[in-house]
Amino acid sequence: VTLKESGPALVKPTQTLTLTCTFSGFSLTTSGAYVSWIRQPPGKALEWLARIDWDDDKFYSTSLKTRLTISKDSSKNQVVLIMTNMDPVDTGTYYCARSKGQPVAGYYHYGMDVWGQGTTVTVSS
Amino acid sequence: DIQMTQSPSSLSASVGDRVTIPCRASQNISTYLNWYQQRPGKAPNLLIYAASTLQSGVSSRFSGSGSGTDFTLTISSLQPEDFATYYCQQDYRSSTFGGGTKVEIK
Repeated sequence: VTLKESGPALVKPTQTLTLTCTFSGFSLTTSGAYVSWIRQPPGKALEWLARIDWDDDKFYSTSLKTRLTISKDSSKNQVVLIMTNMDPVDTGTYYCARSKGQPVAGYYHYGMDVWGQGTTVTVSS
Repeated sequence: DIQMTQSPSSLSASVGDRVTIPCRASQNISTYLNWYQQRPGKAPNLLIYAASTLQSGVSSRFSGSGSGTDFTLTISSLQPEDFATYYCQQDYRSSTFGGGTKVEIK
């Protein structure tokens, strides 16, 4: 299982960022599979952004939901994240990660078990 | 939103020490809690899921405990490769990461 993020390294303030996560070794049509996007500003903590599930359910960070759109193309094994109105505070490394449901005591749990290497995005004029 | 708090943000320890890293949720999340290790310049690595289940391939010196709002990651005997930052993450409702605890060399 591998995932790889791609997208522009530099965007200007107010522009829209489009990131693509291309994966292999699993299918996002398989029950219990998720792909999430997470970012990390330089020297700061991880921040979860969004998630798309095998059945096309989508979830967003409350603080960023008005700026984010996540989608998938299962035929291409890709997940796309769009973030609008970019600002310098959005500078950082953006990761995508896979989760698969693992049963524990009758319930499924979804730790992110495989991550991409990350792609660095700088927002500057 | 569910907030995840990790305090302290850093701690110093020596090789061979037993280290405990706490994480607190702002509301009951049952056992929907995961732990990750991140080394500088690298992507995070899943250590523990469901609060206490060791991810395949992860050393047994790592263990997790807790339920509800209070959780702990324990490293039984700190090794040189364990100096890193550790994050908790809830997936009870949507998802949130804690602010991380950096384990530094004393």
